[in-house]
Amino acid sequence: NAGVTQTPKFRILKIGQSMTLQCAQDMNHNYMYWYRQDPGMGLKLIYYSVGAGITDKGEVPNGYNVSRSTTEDFPLRLELAAPSQTSVYFCASSNLAVQGGNEQFFGPGTRLTVL
Amino acid sequence: EDQVTQSPEALRLQEGESSSLNCSYTVSGLRGLFWYRQDPGKGPEFLFTLYSAGEEKEKERLKATLTKKESFLHITAPKPEDSATYLCAVQISGAGSYQLTFGKGTKLSVIP
Repeated sequence: NAGVTQTPKFRILKIGQSMTLQCAQDMNHNYMYWYRQDPGMGLKLIYYSVGAGITDKGEVPNGYNVSRSTTEDFPLRLELAAPSQTSVYFCASSNLAVQGGNEQFFGPGTRLTVL
Repeated sequence: EDQVTQSPEALRLQEGESSSLNCSYTVSGLRGLFWYRQDPGKGPEFLFTLYSAGEEKEKERLKATLTKKESFLHITAPKPEDSATYLCAVQISGAGSYQLTFGKGTKLSVIP
């Protein structure tokens, strides 16, 4: 299993440009998440999905959009890039058990710079 | 508001010098507490889940413990390869509790 994969690894955008960060998992997990990580700030949840066709906002959703048409894929869309969106983005997935905890498995990240 | 605080922010140890990292939390109800390891330029790697006070889990030189207010990650006789940032996260109990709230992490450096 490849686990959680993300593309691209690095990207530089100009202000106002758009892009899609790709995320895929091959563990048949039903839950998927997007986080951003800024220096000294910890991981912040942007959006999450509990299954194909179902998404919801996390703590910091402004400026982002998501969709989930399949179990495997969960792309994150930036429509009008702003310098405040410079960050490292991580995708994660989990198979939330009714009685268990939500152990999330992370991808390698996408480092995005907006200039 | 649910909060997770990790201390210290950074820790330098000599190889073989045992120590502990702290994660204190304030939540309405705890469903699980998670420890992750993150190497520079990589995604967090899952280490442990703890569910109830008094629970302990071990993996190689790491042992995680949980009380009603905090968790400790004990590192015994660390090696340079244990250098990383260690993240703590909590999951609250209740319907729809999918989200994890992360602390800011402790950056551990183990000097040969």
